[in-house]
Amino acid sequence: ETGVTQTPRHLVMGMTNKKSLKCEQHLGHNAMYWYKQSAKKPLELMFVYNFKEQTENNSVPSRFSPECPNSSHLFLHLHTLQPEDSALYLCASSHRTASSGANVLTFGAGSRLTVL
Amino acid sequence: KNEVEQSPQNLTAQEGEFITINCSYSVGISALHWLQQHPGGGIVSLFMLSSGKKKHGRLIATINIQEKHSSLHITASHPRDSAVYICAVRFRETSGSRLTFGEGTQLTVNP
Repeated sequence: ETGVTQTPRHLVMGMTNKKSLKCEQHLGHNAMYWYKQSAKKPLELMFVYNFKEQTENNSVPSRFSPECPNSSHLFLHLHTLQPEDSALYLCASSHRTASSGANVLTFGAGSRLTVL
Repeated sequence: KNEVEQSPQNLTAQEGEFITINCSYSVGISALHWLQQHPGGGIVSLFMLSSGKKKHGRLIATINIQEKHSSLHITASHPRDSAVYICAVRFRETSGSRLTFGEGTQLTVNP
């Protein structure tokens, strides 16, 4: 256990479904991230939240909608996805300070999504 | 273009062997990370470094800023070291939190 918990671990959904991925950390970190890992491709940053505010959106399609109600919880709402969105979605957290943007990331185990 | 290249792509070793995985990058960085990903998908951060060398147990990470190159070494390798090892860098010119990831090195250690 890394201290970052993701649920569900596996999700199968149709293209018309609406589902959500959840991430929770109790490490006292103030930044949370969503990453996408597709087969045979490097990790891609999707979203960054600092102190509940979204600070980065890496040109992610609007069918992915993040939500960060507090510093410990992060959601990724999924709606009308495409089969090519099938991937491993990883949540991470870190402690960021004003003087440092490069901190150690703590990752969750990931949610493996299959879109039929 | 900001790039991160890892080599080798795949590596098979016998238990006990000394292993080296390499990472090269294209322009100046502020930090380099080595990550380990096990078959289940979870990723563990092994090292973050910006200069010199770090050691943790059987793992050693080095970085040469002038040559834009880092290596991850595993001494006395063990089957439980089998995983994908990923190099990620934060380029100095990149704002925010963006890390650029290598494609990973699949390591298999046979007993």
